[in-house]
Amino acid sequence: DAGVTQSPTHLIKTRGQQVTLRCSPKSGHDTVSWYQQALGQGPQFIFQYYEEEERQRGNFPDRFSGHQFPNYSSELNVNALLLGDSALYLCASSLQGATDTQYFGPGTRLTVL
Amino acid sequence: AQSVSQHNHHVILSEAASLELGCNYSYGGTVNLFWYVQYPGQHLQLLLKYFSGDPLVKGIKGFEAEFIKSKFSFNLRKPSVQWSDTAEYFCAVNARNYGQNFVFGPGTRLSVLP
Repeated sequence: DAGVTQSPTHLIKTRGQQVTLRCSPKSGHDTVSWYQQALGQGPQFIFQYYEEEERQRGNFPDRFSGHQFPNYSSELNVNALLLGDSALYLCASSLQGATDTQYFGPGTRLTVL
Repeated sequence: AQSVSQHNHHVILSEAASLELGCNYSYGGTVNLFWYVQYPGQHLQLLLKYFSGDPLVKGIKGFEAEFIKSKFSFNLRKPSVQWSDTAEYFCAVNARNYGQNFVFGPGTRLSVLP
């Protein structure tokens, strides 16, 4: 039973560029949430997808957008990258968008130069 | 605004010492509470969770936590730590009235000396 997987593992971009991160949820899960974890801090909620729609959004600008596919996998897109976007981006999956346990992937380390 | 605070930024203990990590949250309604652990170089893993019922919950690796509703607290405990418990510990809250997202505390780094 595969857990949550994310790709790529590491990514280096320059300011102004755009990036796409990918996530496959744990088998049987239909809800994907994205978090940003800056160095030395706890994860901050970006948004959550269920039934291919954004259900809830945290306090992040519109430069952050996402998508969920029919197979429940998800993408996080960040446009016009800023130095402050450098962080570990975590994907978490759960069932049905309910207040259930979230299972986290290993994350994608994004460095913006 | 919703918030979760963790009392200590960095805790250093010797092996066999007892551990208690504090967590407080600021919600008035019904909450689900979690402790996650992040070992060096690994992803976040669930230690334990509280949804309802007995406020003392037991998790993996000998950890337990107690939910005290009147204090808005969910402290993590372990009677005797091991070197392998060295990790970052995060308290997280899901407030059912606020939707589906988790709000994490800033984390407590635990260093266990052999």
